[in-house]
Amino acid sequence: AQSVAQPEDQVNVAEGNPLTVKCTYSVSGNPYLFWYVQYPNRGLQFLLKYITGDNLVKGSYGFEAEFNKSQTSFHLKKPSALVSDSALYFCAVRPWINAGNMLTFGGGTRLMVKP
Amino acid sequence: DGGITQSPKYLFRKEGQNVTLSCEQNLNHDAMYWYRQDPGQGLRLIYYSQIVNDFQKGDIAEGYSVSREKKESFPLTVTSAQKNPTAFYLCASSMSTDTQYFGPGTRLTVL
Repeated sequence: AQSVAQPEDQVNVAEGNPLTVKCTYSVSGNPYLFWYVQYPNRGLQFLLKYITGDNLVKGSYGFEAEFNKSQTSFHLKKPSALVSDSALYFCAVRPWINAGNMLTFGGGTRLMVKP
Repeated sequence: DGGITQSPKYLFRKEGQNVTLSCEQNLNHDAMYWYRQDPGQGLRLIYYSQIVNDFQKGDIAEGYSVSREKKESFPLTVTSAQKNPTAFYLCASSMSTDTQYFGPGTRLTVL
């Protein structure tokens, strides 16, 4: 069975500083990895995904994530945080071979960007 | 949120009532999903459907039922057998094994 860990319930960062939201995973075989963002009382918005290829994936709103197979990690990063980035971020994983396309989500990390 | 709509946005249920949450998509996606989100927790899969007239239980299907009579629609019924239904419910859809896209959600409260 697959699992996702987001070890930080909350990350605080000052506007303009770089941000990192951590994610580690456990899955059989190669993973598909995803990051989503959720604003209050809204659905999840897709940010980026890793399937194969370059370990550095670029996504929406200036976010990127680095896939590290040896550390089974997929940390979300942004070089310069904005106050508007404050939201709840979810990491998700599924095995490469998965007939049902079922995702397993982490518990979420709340990002607070202060002016 | 794109081409996935959920209604209503807020729903209140009395004890012992069944309620149905609507999910419609115009993305021509084959697969649709229902998730439950509780405060401080990630999303948990209730049911999913990969094709019309077929659906599978997820991790927490007890007390819920679904149907998939049309490709565009995947309604979720929360039955009286669900003992703690107060939560935020999210519907998603995807092209078979591709990225899942989510609707805006329905917040269900039991009075």
